[in-house]
Amino acid sequence: RKEVEQDPGPFNVPEGATVAFNCTYSNSASQSFFWYRQDCRKEPKLLMSVYSSGNEDGRFTAQLNRASQYISLLIRDSKLSDSATYLCVVKDVINNNDMRFGAGTRLTVKP
Amino acid sequence: EADIYQTPRYLVIGTGKKITLECSQTMGHDKMYWYQQDPGMELHLIHYSYGVNSTEKGDLSSESTVSRIRTEHFPLTLESARPSHTSQYLCASSRDTANYGYTFGSGTRLTVV
Repeated sequence: RKEVEQDPGPFNVPEGATVAFNCTYSNSASQSFFWYRQDCRKEPKLLMSVYSSGNEDGRFTAQLNRASQYISLLIRDSKLSDSATYLCVVKDVINNNDMRFGAGTRLTVKP
Repeated sequence: EADIYQTPRYLVIGTGKKITLECSQTMGHDKMYWYQQDPGMELHLIHYSYGVNSTEKGDLSSESTVSRIRTEHFPLTLESARPSHTSQYLCASSRDTANYGYTFGSGTRLTVV
């Protein structure tokens, strides 16, 4: 079993839609959580960290459920520019604070 | 403005050639990583370093080697390039703290013909 598993996707949604991505992680000792965004043929870039109480950044909302070892990312009012692959990432002290990346979920927002 | 730099950005090279992909960061990060990624596929860790003179192999077996003589520099070398090495190579760095994410370079897209 992979340490970080994500919805397989791809997600194809119309502009303005709300879309949610899910992610589960296997290591209960994981301490830090992130969502990265990767555009086609580009490097991954940090989208947002995920805090225990949940956090919001504009149209993006991240949630963490430690009991279920589950992370989510909600995108409201999707824009064409949101089209990308979204990577779920966890980090823990046991793994020397190294990041474990999910395989990514591809999102395409269509006009 | 990028604080981690990879060169070259694109490289097309013949089979059997020796190549070195450069990665440098100006953030003073102790930890550095090399990932290999094929188009549309997931990231695979091939090498990492926790500091000067520290290098380890990652999860994906690779015929490449790395060195870490200076904190800011983490080059990756292929002694004899093969078509199977065609891929994108991404370098990343990070502080050794729990809440700090990785910063990636722009990558080197390698094609071996």
